[in-house]
Parts: sequence; C-alpha cells; structure tokens
Amino acid sequence: AQSVSQHNHHVILSEAASLELGCNYSYGGTVNLFWYVQYPGQHLQLLLKYFSGDPLVKGIKGFEAEFIKSKFSFNLRKPSVQWSDTAEYFCAVTPNYGGSQGNLIFGKGTKLSVKP
Amino acid sequence: ETGVTQTPRHLVMGMTNKKSLKCEQHLGHNAMYWYKQSAKKPLELMFVYSLEERVENNSVPSRFSPECPNSSHLFLHLHTLQPEDSALYLCASSQGVTSGAYNEQFFGPGTRLTVL
Repeated sequence: AQSVSQHNHHVILSEAASLELGCNYSYGGTVNLFWYVQYPGQHLQLLLKYFSGDPLVKGIKGFEAEFIKSKFSFNLRKPSVQWSDTAEYFCAVTPNYGGSQGNLIFGKGTKLSVKP
Repeated sequence: ETGVTQTPRHLVMGMTNKKSLKCEQHLGHNAMYWYKQSAKKPLELMFVYSLEERVENNSVPSRFSPECPNSSHLFLHLHTLQPEDSALYLCASSQGVTSGAYNEQFFGPGTRLTVL
C-alpha cells in the first residue's frame, strides 16, 4: 500500500532558525506532491505543490521544497522561521496515472513550534 | 476564506442520535471529498464524489452515509456512532478526480465531532 512518512512528529525551533521537514513516499511511479499547512484553529491550506518540471518548488511565505525522485523524498525547507510559522505541516502524495481517483495520501503531520 | 464551508463547526452527539454534517463549495468544482482527521493519525479519505456520483468508498462503516445532491453540496449523515468516531471531519473539493492539475484539493475548516 502507498504511504507517506514524515520523520518528525514535533519540531521546536527558535525564530530565525532554518527549517527542514522530511517527507518520504512509497509509490514507485509518477507522483504529484503537496505540502499543506494547518495553523492553530484554521483549515488546511496548500503551501506548495509539485506536478512536473523544476524539482525545486517555491511556495507561499518563503517555503520551498525539493523533489528528489531517486530518494522518493519531498522535503520542506525555510531558511529562517518566524513565530507565525507555528503550525502543523502535512505532506501528501497522489499517484499520477490515468484514472486516478484523486486519492491524496497524507503523512501523519509534523507539528512545528517556533519560540519567539 | 477557502471557498469551502462546513456546518456545524462543532457537534456533540450521543451514540443513539442522528445528525448530518454539511459541506458547500463555492469554487465551481466537480469533485468533493470527506476526510477524517484523528489525533496522531494521517488524514483518512472516507468518500469521493465526482459529478455527484460516488467514486470511492474507503471501507467506511455504514453508520456514515454520504449524500451529494449536486456538485456544490455534500452531506455526511451520522447515526449510531461510537466514541471512537470522535474526530475532525474535513470536506474538500477539486476541479476533478483525474491526476494532474485537477487533483489539487481545497479544504473546509472541518466539523469537530464528539460522540458521547
């Protein structure tokens, strides 16, 4: 069965520290990749996505992610975090083949706490 | 404002009650989804509707009954639930269910359900 692994359950950083959240998936074919963010008390929002092309994708609020096909990874990065980045981050994958039923497969999420 | 609204935002019900969750999308999308978000578990896809037809039922117990009267509205009818069904229920929509750009899903704020 396809799965998505997020390596860290809870990450605690100080403001201005650099962030990297790991994400690995198990599907061997072509994939679409997503990072969603859920701020406290708010709905899931799309942070960035990869469908094809440049494997380094830029998202909102200074986030970026790099797709490394050989490692089945799509790690999320930000050079300098802010207190307002405190949220839960979810990596998600959809296999990209004809007839896909839109099944987004989510990881368990990584909670990020940024200390002011 | 995500364009996907859910009501109610909070619901407390007994195991013998019957209640319904409502989702409405204002994005002109053709596909809608129900997810269950439990603590420390990945988001679980429950149901997928495309053009008002159910295309996925992810082994969900029959005490959950979805209804999609049109492409803008989605309901989840609940009856004789169990305490372990307490969770955040999320609705999402997308342009379609085929892979590629149409697969990007937009989420509502969720309904926090507590079953006593």
